Amino acid sequence: DTEVTQTPKHLVMGMTNKKSLKCEQHMGHRAMYWYKQKAKKPPELMFVYSYEKLSINESVPSRFSPECPNSSLLNLHLHALQPEDSALYLCASSQGPGQGSTEAFFGQGTRLTVV
Amino acid sequence: GIQVEQSPPDLILQEGANSTLRCNFSDSVNNLQWFHQNPWGQLINLFYIPSGTKQNGRLSATTVATERYSLLYISSSQTTDSGVYFCAAGGNTGGFKTIFGAGTRLFVKA
Repeated sequence: DTEVTQTPKHLVMGMTNKKSLKCEQHMGHRAMYWYKQKAKKPPELMFVYSYEKLSINESVPSRFSPECPNSSLLNLHLHALQPEDSALYLCASSQGPGQGSTEAFFGQGTRLTVV
Repeated sequence: GIQVEQSPPDLILQEGANSTLRCNFSDSVNNLQWFHQNPWGQLINLFYIPSGTKQNGRLSATTVATERYSLLYISSSQTTDSGVYFCAAGGNTGGFKTIFGAGTRLFVKA
């Protein structure tokens, strides 16, 4: 099973709302990632968690707050977003340091619209 | 950080034609993947290939790590091959900072 599950698939939120994106994998991977993809652009790395600890933050604004409550789950908490934050948000997982290859597997994404 | 460049940016093929997509990267890599993104946004793993050659049906890939490039070959293209092909590479941070190239947008005509 190489499945990464993201919920919800679609989300519309106002600029004053608080919402969360969820990601789950059961492959025993210990590295998990958030990417943001704008239309007709490649995915851009936002955060990397390794063994449930934040290891890479690509200077992402604080209105995006990641959380890794356990080795299978990754959340992205959203607050006070702007319309330009509308994008496809992709979660991925791979084996962690010392586990083997770093082949990443992606979820189907959450298509976020900020109004 | 590592830079990843893909060419060509756009490609139109007649069904049945063959094609080669190229990915150049600026530094040594621990991780090199090829993905196909379908119209719904799903990134489908094609190859994990930091070095060497692999084949899967009509697709094959070769990475020459010492020369910092990778090639994706598509033979006997089908309309279902249409979409965006991304190369993604991770460098010396254990491969976890994986950076995507800009992609090759492929359209296969019937």
